[in-house]
Amino acid sequence: DGGITQSPKYLFRKEGQNVTLSCEQNLNHDAMYWYRQDPGQGLRLIYYSQIVNDFQKGDIAEGYSVSREKKESFPLTVTSAQKNPTAFYLCASSRTPGTSGGASNEQFFGPGTRLTVL
Amino acid sequence: AQKITQTQPGMFVQEKEAVTLDCTYDTSDPSYGLFWYKQPSSGEMIFLIYQGSYDQQNATEGRYSLNFQKARKSANLVISASQLGDSAMYFCAMREPNSGNTPLVFGKGTRLSVIA
Repeated sequence: DGGITQSPKYLFRKEGQNVTLSCEQNLNHDAMYWYRQDPGQGLRLIYYSQIVNDFQKGDIAEGYSVSREKKESFPLTVTSAQKNPTAFYLCASSRTPGTSGGASNEQFFGPGTRLTVL
Repeated sequence: AQKITQTQPGMFVQEKEAVTLDCTYDTSDPSYGLFWYKQPSSGEMIFLIYQGSYDQQNATEGRYSLNFQKARKSANLVISASQLGDSAMYFCAMREPNSGNTPLVFGKGTRLSVIA
């Protein structure tokens, strides 16, 4: 079945360590996104990529880095520069407009990774 | 100013009753899209319904309908015949302009609890 996978589901990190969150999709979508969710809050955009080898910063990119070397993959690295990384991280993708599907071009989300800094 | 405002942190509804979740938005772009997502306790985000700014009719998807009042900049979600499984967080989101793969901007959400 087509979908988005994120791993790991739970991740624990010591302060000062970099960690990488995985996001893979087999939906053949061009665009991929990373959001952060804090308790009782909505989703905030970290980075997004509309095409391979290109990505843009979102509202809260400081302390994070991404790469987009393959269409299917958009890993997120949480660096030691991120001061408060404990949060729930959601990856999403959306199809190329004008291809099959409705006008909504909604984003499809993965199951998320819960990161805790010890 | 917030782009998406959801003023109800929490709502309760009796099973089988209808409930309205409020969402107001702020944009000067004539082209935008409005979305509602459901987030159960498992954390996944489930797309429910979409309304384009140029759509003439209010969107409906099964038990979900969107009360779109363009002049008031509101896009309230109406859930009819509530079920226990509807208990979740609900997020309103906007894409502006409504083209390409512009990222969504989300509100802070409303927690809905359905009571038996």
